[in-house]
Amino acid sequence: QSVLTQPPSMSAAPGQKVTISCSGSSSNIGKNYVSWYQQLPGTAPKLLIYENNKRPSGIPDRFSGSKSGTSATLGITGLQTGDEAAYYCGTWDSSLSVVFGGGTKLTVL
Amino acid sequence: QLQLQESGPGLVKPSETLSLTCTVSGGSISGDNYFWDWIRQPPGKGLEWVGTFYYSGNTYYNPSLKSRLTISGDTSKNQFSLKLSSVTAADTAAYFCARRYGSGSYSDYWGQGTLVTVSS
Repeated sequence: QSVLTQPPSMSAAPGQKVTISCSGSSSNIGKNYVSWYQQLPGTAPKLLIYENNKRPSGIPDRFSGSKSGTSATLGITGLQTGDEAAYYCGTWDSSLSVVFGGGTKLTVL
Repeated sequence: QLQLQESGPGLVKPSETLSLTCTVSGGSISGDNYFWDWIRQPPGKGLEWVGTFYYSGNTYYNPSLKSRLTISGDTSKNQFSLKLSSVTAADTAAYFCARRYGSGSYSDYWGQGTLVTVSS
C-alpha cells in the first residue's frame, strides 16, 4: 500500500493528452515539493518533473506538472509510442521518509 | 557527468544478509544538500524507499525495514552501502542507488539497478 495514490493504469491514443493524478496528505504533498519519474521497461527511473512543475534539461515541454493542496498532476500532451512507460510521483513526508506513488502504467494505443 | 553504480551479490539465501555498495563517480558524496538513497522495486511492483546516507554521517531508514537495515558511507572511497539482514523472499527486488537534492527532494541521478534474488 503506497503512501501516495495513483491510478494503476491509463491509456490514450497517439497525439492525445493524458493527465496522471497523485493524491497524498498534509504530511507529504501538502507541505513539500512533488517530483515525477518515468520508468521505461527494464530501466531505472528518470526524473521528469521536479519541484512540482520544473523540467530538467532535455525533458520536452510536452511534459508538465502541477500541484494543488494535497494532490499533484502530471500532464503529457502529444502522446507518442515512446511515452509508454510507468510513471511515479514522489515527495518527502514529515515522518522523515521519501514516499512514492504506486505507479501508473501508461499505454499508448 | 555524475554516475552511480550498484554492486553486490545477485543471489542471497533466506535468513542471510544482503549487502550492496553504490560507487559514485563524476562528483562527490560529500556535498551539502545532496542525499544518497537506496530505493528498491520488487518484480512487477512499484518503488519503495529503503534508506538514505548523508555525508555528515546521518542516516534515515524506512520504518518498515529499520530493525534489519544498516546504511553507511565511505567518503574517502565515494561509496555508500546497504546491509539488510534476515532476508526473505519478500526482499527480492531490483535495488537502485540514487542522488536526491534535499530541499526539493527529487532524485536526479540513478544507478542502473541490480536485481537481488533471495532464494535457497
